[in-house]
Amino acid sequence: GEDVEQSLFLSVREGDSSVINCTYTDSSSTYLYWYKQEPGAGLQLLTYIFSNMDMKQDQRLTVLLNKKDKHLSLRIADTQTGDSAIYFCAPSGNTPLVFGKGTRLSVIA
Amino acid sequence: EPEVTQTPSHQVTQMGQEVILRCVPISNHLYFYWYRQILGQKVEFLVSFYNNEISEKSEIFDDQFSVERPDGSNFTLKIRSTKLEDSAMYFCARTGRARSTDTQYFGPGTRLTVL
Repeated sequence: GEDVEQSLFLSVREGDSSVINCTYTDSSSTYLYWYKQEPGAGLQLLTYIFSNMDMKQDQRLTVLLNKKDKHLSLRIADTQTGDSAIYFCAPSGNTPLVFGKGTRLSVIA
Repeated sequence: EPEVTQTPSHQVTQMGQEVILRCVPISNHLYFYWYRQILGQKVEFLVSFYNNEISEKSEIFDDQFSVERPDGSNFTLKIRSTKLEDSAMYFCARTGRARSTDTQYFGPGTRLTVL
């Protein structure tokens, strides 16, 4: 089955850029999602990229996809304290989403 | 996008008791999912439900779990005889449209604590 790997922790200073990386194994993934989970809250859809795209930009968020290497990244520009959360990568080739363990982003003021 | 609501937000139960977790979609969607997240672990798929039937389930979804949509609105997950290891956050999700491959939107979750 699909396996999704993410680094567990990332710490950045407020105003810097954050880059969260994800690798996956299922090359048939058609949509690749990023979800954000704030403490004690549910999963909020942040953005996604379709598998035939290399890049997608949405305000402060940039998603890069390298299909050949099965590598997905999420860049957050001008990181704010409100961006502190756990970020989950979730490729989707079939119905159920397969999540990584999540990357805990800590933003230092 | 309209979200889903889940009740209760927190449920505490004794081991061996039955619990029912509820998901109330706001708009009339057909595909629903249950996921769970044990504290500190990844989010895991349990079951998907389409047109009043289970369409797919994981190995976690054993005989002690069941799902139904009894009144055409609420989507429920029942755990018949809870175990300590069932303690987790349970998330309901639904797709934006009827197709299973569409983006999934999650509810806020129910925290289940089994004592």
